[in-house]
Amino acid sequence: AQSVTQLDSQVPVFEEAPVELRCNYSSSVSVYLFWYVQYPNQGLQLLLKYLSGSTLVESINGFEAEFNKSQTSFHLRKPSVHISDTAEYFCAVSDKTGANNLFFGTGTRLTVIP
Amino acid sequence: EAGVVQSPRYKIIEKKQPVAFWCNPISGHNTLYWYLQNLGQGPELLIRYENEEAVDDSQLPKDRFSAERLKGVDSTLKIQPAELGDSAVYLCASSPPAGELFFGEGSRLTVL
Repeated sequence: AQSVTQLDSQVPVFEEAPVELRCNYSSSVSVYLFWYVQYPNQGLQLLLKYLSGSTLVESINGFEAEFNKSQTSFHLRKPSVHISDTAEYFCAVSDKTGANNLFFGTGTRLTVIP
Repeated sequence: EAGVVQSPRYKIIEKKQPVAFWCNPISGHNTLYWYLQNLGQGPELLIRYENEEAVDDSQLPKDRFSAERLKGVDSTLKIQPAELGDSAVYLCASSPPAGELFFGEGSRLTVL
């Protein structure tokens, strides 16, 4: 089985400052990794994913995450945050069997302060 | 294209009453998931369907929870009777084979 740890439950950051949301995972098999974002009163939306290839993956709105196999991490970063980035961010992992069973972390609430 | 549609968005009931949630997946998505999201927690899988077959229901509390996906399209999740601890958001998601999951907006249940 897989598990995900998001140590930071809340991250406040000023607008235009950089941010890093940490994610570590545990698995005995190779995995796929995901970041989902949940805006208030909305469903989860896929932000970015790592399946294979380049360990650095990017989203269309400026977020990036780097898969680090030796540290079993998949931290999410953005060099300059906007007010609109305020949301809950979930890291998730699934194995490569194709079953698509996602195991989520407990989430990190990012609050961007004007 | 319409996304995953769930109803109701909000439901308030008294304990011991029954409640049902409905999910309409994205057209053509054969895999459907029900997730439970407790306050301050990440979603946890309750049940996964491949077409009309429940292929993973190991986390579904079968004494009070039931689900069905007749004809392999829409799905209903039922709780009978509801308990205080069932207050949570119930998320539905769908995906094509081995593809990305798309989530609905969720059904928020409050049990008084």
